[in-house]
Amino acid sequence: DAKTTQPPSMDCAEGRAANLPCNHSTISGNEYVYWYRQIHSQGPQYIIHGLKNNETNEMASLIITEDRKSSTLILPHATLRDTAVYYCIVRVNNDMRFGAGTRLTVKP
Amino acid sequence: DARVTQTPRHKVTEMGQEVTMRCQPILGHNTVFWYRQTMMQGLELLAYFRNRAPLDDSGMPKDRFSAEMPDATLATLKIQPSEPRDSAVYFCASGPEGQATYNEQFFGPGTRLTVL
Repeated sequence: DAKTTQPPSMDCAEGRAANLPCNHSTISGNEYVYWYRQIHSQGPQYIIHGLKNNETNEMASLIITEDRKSSTLILPHATLRDTAVYYCIVRVNNDMRFGAGTRLTVKP
Repeated sequence: DARVTQTPRHKVTEMGQEVTMRCQPILGHNTVFWYRQTMMQGLELLAYFRNRAPLDDSGMPKDRFSAEMPDATLATLKIQPSEPRDSAVYFCASGPEGQATYNEQFFGPGTRLTVL
């Protein structure tokens, strides 16, 4: 699976949009981009995934650049409960490798 | 609300003892995964199953770890003998088999293992 690079930490004000970047410059054509998050002491939680088109669901939006070398997860209106570690993963099979992720802290 | 369940939630044992962790995947899911999380290594995939058959256990130390699915509703991860370096949170996840895409994995709450 392609390696991903994420900033180790980010802050966001409550109610504002949180934009979490991910670089995956070695992604191959059939690898999907997945985002999970892990709230303290809980198991990881699926957020969203995509291949090359932008995706949106009730939790977030995923913006993938045209060359697919990077993506951004957008939480449109961050709340305190969105404080978590966010993992960006690229995968083509069930072998999902988590990196260190970005620790997002939403502040009041 | 369908969830992955894991037992026990916490386990403290002494070095050399056998440890068995159990996972009940979501009904109807046919892929099951075992992960281990430590501060130093983060989340590591240990093994995964599809339709109860092991597909990949390359992430698992073979000499002491074993993973099985005796039936579709139960997955087990066993450590024998346990060592202090096995102290970690062990997560089980399950998922429906995807076709063109590989679907999301649903994680359980984890078993926090401490080996003294």
